Formats: sequence, structure tokens, C-alpha cells
Amino acid sequence: GAVVSQHPSRVICKSGTSVKIECRSLDFQATTMFWYRQFPKQSLMLMATSNEGSKATYEQGVEKDKFLINHASLTLSTLTVTSAHPEDSSFYICSASRSPYGEQYFGPGTRLTVT
Amino acid sequence: QKEVEQNSGPLSVPEGAIASLNCTYSDRGSQSFFWYRQYSGKSPELIMSIYSNGDKEDGRFTAQLNKASQYVSLLIRDSQPSDSATYLCAAQFGNEKLTFGTGTRLTIIP
Repeated sequence: GAVVSQHPSRVICKSGTSVKIECRSLDFQATTMFWYRQFPKQSLMLMATSNEGSKATYEQGVEKDKFLINHASLTLSTLTVTSAHPEDSSFYICSASRSPYGEQYFGPGTRLTVT
Repeated sequence: QKEVEQNSGPLSVPEGAIASLNCTYSDRGSQSFFWYRQYSGKSPELIMSIYSNGDKEDGRFTAQLNKASQYVSLLIRDSQPSDSATYLCAAQFGNEKLTFGTGTRLTIIP
């Protein structure tokens, strides 16, 4: 199997606060993890790619100082949304892969609402 | 810019019939192709991956790849209401990121 978990599944926070989202590969070692964002009725938008032990690679237009990504082990990556604002409200989904180029397995997603 | 195109639908298919979902891609060098199913409000789930020309079957699902024509399709046999979802096609060239299509919304009519 290839199971990926995410925590929390849903979070509501006040504007200006920070939120951390965890992504774990439960039954395999994930060399690479990806973070996506999806707005209602839109397709997935890749935010960043992270490889274990190295700095994340951010997509154009994604602020790396606002979306902090840490991939500390082969089974855990975290995304921290710093100083969140209402426009950051979205569905954040991580995926994990055994290699940078292989199949990606998605976590269940985290629905973030910033009030 | 590499693109993956899908008909957004909605595609309506009677229960028990074959649902056919199509996807074209712009980069002839694309090597890996994936089909994901996404239920409303949920994250994508990998259904099939295909890397070589031809057909690949897994249960009721068959993926078809034609690299010369740059298209990949997904057939769902004996469609069930639980197959109603948005289906995302994705292509990958070498070590580049996955490029997703915008998805086709499929509705199976009981």
C-alpha cells in the first residue's frame, strides 16, 4: 500500500496567526513530498516540492517566507502558513513519492479557514 | 509550456455502461501518465499509471496510451454510481513536476 496521512484535516484560525500542517507517509519512505493548494472548482496548484534533508523548491509566485516547508525525515513533511490571511483559506493537499519522478500518493487534505 | 488537456464535462453515462475519459498532452517527450479520481471535497486518489504504449487493465479500469498521437484515455467498464467523480489526468516528463489537467467531471446515472 501507499498511505499518506495529513493532520489536521480541518483548521480555523484567526488572521495573523500561523498554522502548521503535517504530512506523513505511513507505510513507505517518501524521498519527495509535494504540497498543493486547491481552490473550489479549480485544479490542483503545486506550491512546492521538498526532498528529505534539503530545502524545498517553490513554484513561481509562492512566497517561501510565508509557506515554510520542512522535510525532516523520509516520512514527515510539514507546511507552516505564517501570518495567515483570509485569502490563504484553501484546501491544502500533500503528496508523497518514493522517488522524485514516480507515482504520487495524496494525503486526505487540510481545509484551512482564516477568519 | 507543457499542457495537459481534458474535456471538463460533465460527462453523463448510464449505470452499467462504459465511461470513456480522454486526455491529450502537448509535450511529446512526456514519459509517465497517471489517472487520479477526486470526489467532491476530497483529495485525489491514484487509479492508474501507464508508461508504455498500449493498454493497461486493472479491474474495471483500462488505461490506454498512444504516444504517437499524444493521448491517454481511461475506460471504466460496468460504470457504477460510486464512479461519479472528477477524473484528473497527469503527465510527467523526465524529472519534471507532474502536469495536471483540469479534470473531467463524470456522472453515472442510475
